[in-house]
Amino acid sequence: AQSVTQPDARVTVSEGASLQLRCKYSYSATPYLFWYVQYPRQGLQLLLKYYSGDPVVQGVNSFEAEFSKSNSSFHLQKASVHWSDSAVYFCALSPTSSGQKLVFGQGTILKVYL
Amino acid sequence: AQTIHQWPVAEIKAVGSPLSLGCTIKGKSSPNLYWYWQATGGTLQQLFYSITVGQVESVVQLNLSASRPKDDQFILSTEKLLLSHSGFYLCAWSPQGGEQYFGPGTRLTVL
Repeated sequence: AQSVTQPDARVTVSEGASLQLRCKYSYSATPYLFWYVQYPRQGLQLLLKYYSGDPVVQGVNSFEAEFSKSNSSFHLQKASVHWSDSAVYFCALSPTSSGQKLVFGQGTILKVYL
Repeated sequence: AQTIHQWPVAEIKAVGSPLSLGCTIKGKSSPNLYWYWQATGGTLQQLFYSITVGQVESVVQLNLSASRPKDDQFILSTEKLLLSHSGFYLCAWSPQGGEQYFGPGTRLTVL
């Protein structure tokens, strides 16, 4: 079975600070990994994806994530956050054996204060 | 560019009443289509997926059904709503497997 764990339910940072949102996964092989963002009362937007290769992937709006096979992690990072980054962030996993399945973590609520 | 549209935007329904939610994807032929349910403040649960017209696979049983009558259309329905059906319903598409792109969602309140 596959699972995704986001250990931080809520993260609060000040504008301009750096950010890391944690994501740990459980899967027997190397999965496809994604980060999505959800603004209030909206659908999800894809931030970035990892399939293979360079473990550091760049996404939209200056977000990046680093895949670690040894730690089974895919943490999301941003060097300097803006108040508009306040939203819910979801890490998700797709098993390479089943392209139609997408398993989400519980989400992390990010609050950026001025 | 591909666009995904969901209707209605929101619904308020009574327990025991029927429901039909729709999703249309434009600009992409033969997409994979998906339905998700999200409880308020919760994570997303995949409900159904379809890789071709007329074929739908169920992921979880929530007294809901889905159909794909056209290549670009995905319908979620039930004959009798339960209180537990309340939440946010999201449609998504993908070119094959891999990353999925989500619609704006439909908020359902069952009273």
